[in-house]
Amino acid sequence: GENVEQHPSTLSVQEGDSAVIKCTYSDSASNYFPWYKQELGKRPQLIIDIRSNVGEKKDQRIAVTLNKTAKHFSLHITETQPEDSAVYFCAAKYSGAGSYQLTFGKGTKLSVIP
Amino acid sequence: EAGVAQSPRYKIIEKRQSVAFWCNPISGHATLYWYQQILGQGPKLLIQFQNNGVVDDSQLPKDRFSAERLKGVDSTLKIQPAKLEDSAVYLCASSPLGGNTYEQYFGPGTRLTVT
Repeated sequence: GENVEQHPSTLSVQEGDSAVIKCTYSDSASNYFPWYKQELGKRPQLIIDIRSNVGEKKDQRIAVTLNKTAKHFSLHITETQPEDSAVYFCAAKYSGAGSYQLTFGKGTKLSVIP
Repeated sequence: EAGVAQSPRYKIIEKRQSVAFWCNPISGHATLYWYQQILGQGPKLLIQFQNNGVVDDSQLPKDRFSAERLKGVDSTLKIQPAKLEDSAVYLCASSPLGGNTYEQYFGPGTRLTVT
């Protein structure tokens, strides 16, 4: 199976600064890496994803980079705002028996200080 | 489109009791997942259905947990008997089959407290 490690577990930044969250995965066959944002008491919501044939993807203030050789990927949030405060989860898609099984990291609690 | 629906939203039971959760996926989504999210951790897959068949239940504690998706639409997850360590949020998610999308859409979850 897949194993996903996520760091840091908590992150505090000043409003306007950048935040970076890093994840590593173990299964070299994994080919899809989504990032989910979960606000307190709410469902996880997809904010950005990247596939293994792409090295970087950007969507406004959010970007994700992927290094397949090193088996790690990162989430970058620029110009952080208080509403970015949440728990962020990375995940990797494990391919087995035709399923789209996601293995999640343990999460990073991001606090943006106004 | 309507999202993934789950009920109940909250449940409190005593240990050794039984409990059932219900999930209605997004219309047309063939794949349905049940996750367990313990406080402070990421979701952990319990079972995955494709239509009404089980694709992966390797992490489901089968001595106490069971799940079904009889008609390939709604699904129920049951715990019997519950233990204290089953306290968690149980998330249901669904995704389309095939195509080029892997996105999983999550429901609001059921928060279970076992006392």
